[in-house]
Amino acid sequence: EPEVTQTPSHQVTQMGQEVILRCVPISNHLYFYWYRQILGQKVEFLVSFYNNEISEKSEIFDDQFSVERPDGSNFTLKIRSTKLEDSAMYFCASSEEPAGVEQYFGPGTRLTVT
Amino acid sequence: LAKTTQPISMDSYEGQEVNITCSHNNIATNDYITWYQQFPSQGPRFIIQGYKTKVTNEVASLFIPADRKSSTLSLPRVSLSDTAVYYCLVGGPYNQGGKLIFGQGTELSVKP
Repeated sequence: EPEVTQTPSHQVTQMGQEVILRCVPISNHLYFYWYRQILGQKVEFLVSFYNNEISEKSEIFDDQFSVERPDGSNFTLKIRSTKLEDSAMYFCASSEEPAGVEQYFGPGTRLTVT
Repeated sequence: LAKTTQPISMDSYEGQEVNITCSHNNIATNDYITWYQQFPSQGPRFIIQGYKTKVTNEVASLFIPADRKSSTLSLPRVSLSDTAVYYCLVGGPYNQGGKLIFGQGTELSVKP
């Protein structure tokens, strides 16, 4: 069964540093998403992406964040000048249908900012 | 988007049927009801989606009454591996760029 993969599984970084979280969506999916989940809290939508453009973004997704589809398989989330409160699980998801509710989530990257 | 209300937690025993009810009084005409499952330290997993009446797949059933103001996810004969958080989501199938709005979910604990 095809699945979304994410690397790394755990990233530790110092406050103020930049991190890039990587995702490989399911190969025939064209719609991509990032979510985050702070420990003990609910899953929060960050951004959706299609055709090399952001379709929708939340209030959380400010200038500190950016997304990119650098090649035909990867989808990345860049976080600049990381803060302690950026520590969370970051999930990538993809869907076959445009803005579909059936989204396939990756295993997540645990980001720890120290 | 319609607000959803579901129990914070539920306990069950192996082999039992579990029904988790979600209230969504302000559901809109074009809203669908979707359920996701999340195991600890994993991403959410799509379980089932419906619009009205009953939907069944290999994992669960979803019951939606005529007024659509609530829905019930039914898990037949649960096992220990069904221990997870279950989220009820309400929204249009193609709304807002695919933004899924997760609530706090229902933490289901299955005991032997």
